[in-house]
Amino acid sequence: DPKIIQKPKYLVAVTGSEKILICEQYLGHNAMYWYRQSAKKPLEFMFSYSYQKLMDNQTASSRFQPQSSKKNHLDLQITALKPDDSATYFCASSQLGEDTQYFGPGTRLLVL
Amino acid sequence: QQKVQQSPESLSVPEGGMASFNCTSSDRNFQYFWWYRQHSGEGPKALMSIFSDGDKKEGRFTAHLNKASLHVSLHIRDSQPSDSALYFCAANTGANTGKLTFGHGTILRVHP
Repeated sequence: DPKIIQKPKYLVAVTGSEKILICEQYLGHNAMYWYRQSAKKPLEFMFSYSYQKLMDNQTASSRFQPQSSKKNHLDLQITALKPDDSATYFCASSQLGEDTQYFGPGTRLLVL
Repeated sequence: QQKVQQSPESLSVPEGGMASFNCTSSDRNFQYFWWYRQHSGEGPKALMSIFSDGDKKEGRFTAHLNKASLHVSLHIRDSQPSDSALYFCAANTGANTGKLTFGHGTILRVHP
């Protein structure tokens, strides 16, 4: 059974629209993260949350807003989508204070 | 400047051979290092962590860390075609925000 679920797997959106990327983890972890992987760039850290509170935000744009309705959920809302937002977005989780982060399968977003 | 630099960009080794990856950090605040592997269409999967100077061996995988030179390496012996993937070095400062900084990755191809 998948331990980190990301939905949808693929997403096509038009410029200017809004989308929500879903992430749920069933590893019992207390910290969750979002990363972005785009062409010719390394995986980029976006946000980290622990106990549903923001720990770190490295995203310059307020168009990206994480949402945590439950301790094992961390969704990512993206507004006013731009073609440059096209990327694969990965959710990850870990036990805070321990080392390894576990990644989900990703959501591949294409903005036209 | 990219804070975590990897070499080579790509690598081809024969089945049963040794694959070696290098990673250098330009930030002395990085104290903790990981190696991740990503198969096409999947999320990154952690292979090993290394936090202390010297070697760490897990099965066919051996990591080496030299904190003085901020250099970390990964060696895979007896490489298999299933090892063909993208390999990332990742680092963090231990500041407990969970932020991982990734290198661009090395593409490994193991040919029969």
